[in-house]
Amino acid sequence: GESVGLHLPTLSVQEGDNSIINCAYSNSASDYFIWYKQESGKGPQFIIDIRSNMDKRQGQRVTVLLNKTVKHLSLQIAATQPGDSAVYFCAEGNQGGKLIFGQGTELSVKP
Amino acid sequence: GAGVSQSPRYKVAKRGQDVALRCDPISGHVSLFWYQQALGQGPEFLTYFQNEAQLDKSGLPSDRFFAERPEGSVSTLKIQRTQQEDSAVYLCASSLRSISEAFFGQGTRLTVV
Repeated sequence: GESVGLHLPTLSVQEGDNSIINCAYSNSASDYFIWYKQESGKGPQFIIDIRSNMDKRQGQRVTVLLNKTVKHLSLQIAATQPGDSAVYFCAEGNQGGKLIFGQGTELSVKP
Repeated sequence: GAGVSQSPRYKVAKRGQDVALRCDPISGHVSLFWYQQALGQGPEFLTYFQNEAQLDKSGLPSDRFFAERPEGSVSTLKIQRTQQEDSAVYLCASSLRSISEAFFGQGTRLTVV
């Protein structure tokens, strides 16, 4: 069936370095993609989204890249900080309320 | 607070017991969503309301799961005759419109023993 998955389950980076979290998806008909951050004991927190007609979108310290040719999504975090440590999920969606989430990547930032 | 509130935060149920999980959305939010998150996994869609209308319940895993939002505000997810595989965090989210703009609550962690 259709799925969204992540290449790496864990990622460890040094404070101040840039982080790149990757995601593969299989539903080429998805309208948009979202990156969420989830800290322990909390619900997912919206980071940034990108519509399917875009290739790149930038936020504060974060950039999302969408490569529809290979069905690949990435989240880049600049100058990673200890507060960025969390599990990051990509999700894809269409009209309505259903998002399909990937498994998640745990980001660990070393001080 | 101004966020999505879920109660209880933790629930331990004996196998076969019925449980009810409550979600208080952000005031004025039309759309409300329920997701189930197993340990170490991403959330999975259960059901979606727009006001009091349940527009999509395709993710409910069995007829033991039932959700309602009778007045278009507070929602309750009910699980009858709980089983061990129901153990998970149940997340509620609300938005003015679509899931892409939704805010998630902290979830209710259900443990069935």
